[in-house]
Amino acid sequence: GESVGLHLPTLSVQEGDNSIINCAYSNSASDYFIWYKQESGKGPQFIIDIRSNMDKRQGQRVTVLLNKTVKHLSLQIAATQPGDSAVYFCAVLNQAGTALIFGKGTTLSVSS
Amino acid sequence: GAGVSQSPRYKVAKRGQDVALRCDPISGHVSLFWYQQALGQGPEFLTYFQNEAQLDKSGLPSDRFFAERPEGSVSTLKIQRTQQEDSAVYLCASSLNRGADTQYFGPGTRLTVL
Repeated sequence: GESVGLHLPTLSVQEGDNSIINCAYSNSASDYFIWYKQESGKGPQFIIDIRSNMDKRQGQRVTVLLNKTVKHLSLQIAATQPGDSAVYFCAVLNQAGTALIFGKGTTLSVSS
Repeated sequence: GAGVSQSPRYKVAKRGQDVALRCDPISGHVSLFWYQQALGQGPEFLTYFQNEAQLDKSGLPSDRFFAERPEGSVSTLKIQRTQQEDSAVYLCASSLNRGADTQYFGPGTRLTVL
């Protein structure tokens, strides 16, 4: 079946650094990808999404890069702030288009 | 508020009890989803509604789990004869259109089965 995996379960950075969180997916036919941020005790919060007809999309301080050749997705956070500390999930739309398949998450810790 | 709301936020049940979890999606959102999130894991899909129609229930782990959305807005996830392995956070999400793309999540209901 379809799966999503993350390269690192934890990432620690200093305030002001750029952060990069990586994700790999299994299905080359996947056409929609999304990143969520989840703080303790809260539901996942939408950050940014990208479709397979693009390889890069930018938001406010965040950029998502999609490499379909190697089935790799990354989230870049510029000038990381303590408020960015959370668990970050990448998710992929399933083949049926009815559900998101999530990875296990990367815990980002930002120290000031 | 304009977001997805869920109630109760916390639920403790004794093994064998039935529970009902409620989700109020964003007004006007066509699609509604339920996910189960175990501690330290990503959310796992349970079921999907488009308006009142349950189009995908492939993620429901057993026939003890049942979901409904009778009028195409509020949804209820019911778990019968709860077991300890049902302990998890149950997340509800909604999206504006048909299909599962940009989903907005509620805060979740943390279910603990003793």
